[in-house]
Amino acid sequence: SAVISQKPSRDICQRGTSLTIQCQVDSQVTMMFWYRQQPGQSLTLIATANQGSEATYESGFVIDKFPISRPNLTFSTLTVSNMSPEDSSIYLCSVLDYKLNVNNEQFFGPGTRLTVL
Amino acid sequence: GQQLNQSPQSMFIQEGEDVSMNCTSSSIFNTWLWYKQDPGEGPVLLIALYKAGELTSNGRLTAQFGITRKDSFLNISASIPSDVGIYFCAGNAGGTSYGKLTFGQGTILTVHP
Repeated sequence: SAVISQKPSRDICQRGTSLTIQCQVDSQVTMMFWYRQQPGQSLTLIATANQGSEATYESGFVIDKFPISRPNLTFSTLTVSNMSPEDSSIYLCSVLDYKLNVNNEQFFGPGTRLTVL
Repeated sequence: GQQLNQSPQSMFIQEGEDVSMNCTSSSIFNTWLWYKQDPGEGPVLLIALYKAGELTSNGRLTAQFGITRKDSFLNISASIPSDVGIYFCAGNAGGTSYGKLTFGQGTILTVHP
């Protein structure tokens, strides 16, 4: 499996501000994803981060609120814009790559715990 | 959209007991995955299942991909205190949804020594 790191690991932010979360992988991977895990809840897919093109968002998530970048095959960022307390969650990136496995196994980063006051 | 129903929501067991949890889906999946999440950590992949009827073991863990492709279960035998955590099932439908995981609500496991 790949080694995945996220920065920051946690942050406390004021409402109305924005936070950019970084995800770094130790090897090139085909696909990267961003998930949200609200307090005490399960994981929900936000978007697929596409290298060199716009991210593909799931229903209920929009680019203006969660802009995503993926400049290369080892790095992606997720920005949580104009934050409100409802954005308080753990944000996780995950990776999937044919070199790691040919099936649908995904590996997750440690997550970024965000609290919005 | 696809929904996963995971049960039970929580379990309180004694060390040494066996544990069983399951997930059912409203639609067919091509892949079932089982993850464990410890507090403050990301989910860790335990077992992956790729075809209907498949039974796979990983140490004390055993998981099966249901024949209908709409369900899966995870068994943990002879539980130990470090099994404590939240267990999630996740499924993928493949095709245009390749890579996109739908997660169950999670099963919180508590093991009393």
